[in-house]
Amino acid sequence: AQKVTQAQTEISVVEKEDVTLDCVYETRDTTYYLFWYKQPPSGELVFLIRRNSFDEQNEISGRYSWNFQKSTSSFNFTITASQVVDSAVYFCALSENSGGGADGLTFGKGTHLIIQP
Amino acid sequence: ETGVTQSPTHLIKTRGQQVTLRCSSQSGHNTVSWYQQALGQGPQFIFQYYREEENGRGNFPPRFSGLQFPNYSSELNVNALELDDSALYLCASSSRDRGLYEQYFGPGTRLTVT
Repeated sequence: AQKVTQAQTEISVVEKEDVTLDCVYETRDTTYYLFWYKQPPSGELVFLIRRNSFDEQNEISGRYSWNFQKSTSSFNFTITASQVVDSAVYFCALSENSGGGADGLTFGKGTHLIIQP
Repeated sequence: ETGVTQSPTHLIKTRGQQVTLRCSSQSGHNTVSWYQQALGQGPQFIFQYYREEENGRGNFPPRFSGLQFPNYSSELNVNALELDDSALYLCASSSRDRGLYEQYFGPGTRLTVT
């Protein structure tokens, strides 16, 4: 069975600090997909990134970066120079079937990120 | 905004009643997935519809059922409502045929069962 663990329930930092959100996953498949979503107070989940299991390249998008390490089954998310608008709940998710096929997405419990001004 | 819409926004029902939630997928997307998100938890996969057929299901009882229409919009029906069904219900659209596996979520329907 697949499982996603986000051990950090809540993180609070001061604006402009860097922050890393941890994600550890479990799967028996060799082909799988990992995702990060952001959920602001409005409730709508916002897609941030998808990573395929066969592509371990790290990715950077502006202030966001992702570190995928198959050896430790981790897919961590770093926000550089955090801003108040980054405050939200962040979810890591896993799919074993074409990135959202028959099994859907398995989500972690989320990390509530609070950026203080 | 993703282009995925859901209705209604909020709903209050009594235990034992039935409810229908609706979702319109993003233009060009033919796959709709439904999730239940309890307060303080991550979303849980209910089921997915692809080309008007149920394509996969999570660990939810048969009183959770759905439909997908030719225009790819979808309904989630819940019978015999229980207090634990109170949650945010999210629908997500994607396009498997085009290899676009990212799921784009709507704003959700907040269901309260009393």
